Amino acid sequence: DSGVTQTPKHLITATGQRVTLRCSPRSGDLSVYWYQQSLDQGLQFLIQYYNGEERAKGNILERFSAQQFPDLHSELNLSSLELGDSALYFCASSRRGSNEKLFFGSGTQLSVL
Amino acid sequence: TQLLEQSPQFLSIQEGENLTVYCNSSSVFSSLQWYRQEPGEGPVLLVTVVTGGEVKKLKRLTFQFGDARKDSSLHITAAQTGDTGLYLCAGAGGSGNTGKLIFGQGTTLQVKP
Repeated sequence: DSGVTQTPKHLITATGQRVTLRCSPRSGDLSVYWYQQSLDQGLQFLIQYYNGEERAKGNILERFSAQQFPDLHSELNLSSLELGDSALYFCASSRRGSNEKLFFGSGTQLSVL
Repeated sequence: TQLLEQSPQFLSIQEGENLTVYCNSSSVFSSLQWYRQEPGEGPVLLVTVVTGGEVKKLKRLTFQFGDARKDSSLHITAAQTGDTGLYLCAGAGGSGNTGKLIFGQGTTLQVKP
């Protein structure tokens, strides 16, 4: 158990819908990362938050947004969903945020039908 | 754009055999990490290499960082069925003080009894 909690574990929805994925980092970790894993693209960095503020941005679509709340949990919002958004979404956390060991959650499997 | 190429993509071997997985890039990375991922779980960090030419051993696993810090290898001696999984290399990318990682596509290892 990494200590990072992601909910829900599975999510099935339809095209055009909006979903919210939730992540609780390890106790004491200030940084939260979101990654998307698909068969064709592999594991891709989406966005990083550090202590409530956006720290780095990767290949995140404009339809996607994230935030980190004062209690350090994070949410990834995916809107206007397309079939191609079907993937595993991982959250990871680290103590601070610079080249540190990342602890990954078990992921949310999103299926867009 | 920084890219990491892993080879081979798939590897199926018998228990007791040795194997090497390669991770190559044309870019220099400040550090390189190796993760192992099992089905239904997030990646788990195995090792981080930082110095060019560095060699780290973790039981039967040997990790090496290239002198120029552009490539790395993972060698497993006398593979066991418990080594089965997806092996991912990841380089610390981006500028500034972030924990953004760039992942290779992964090597799926199957060790047969």
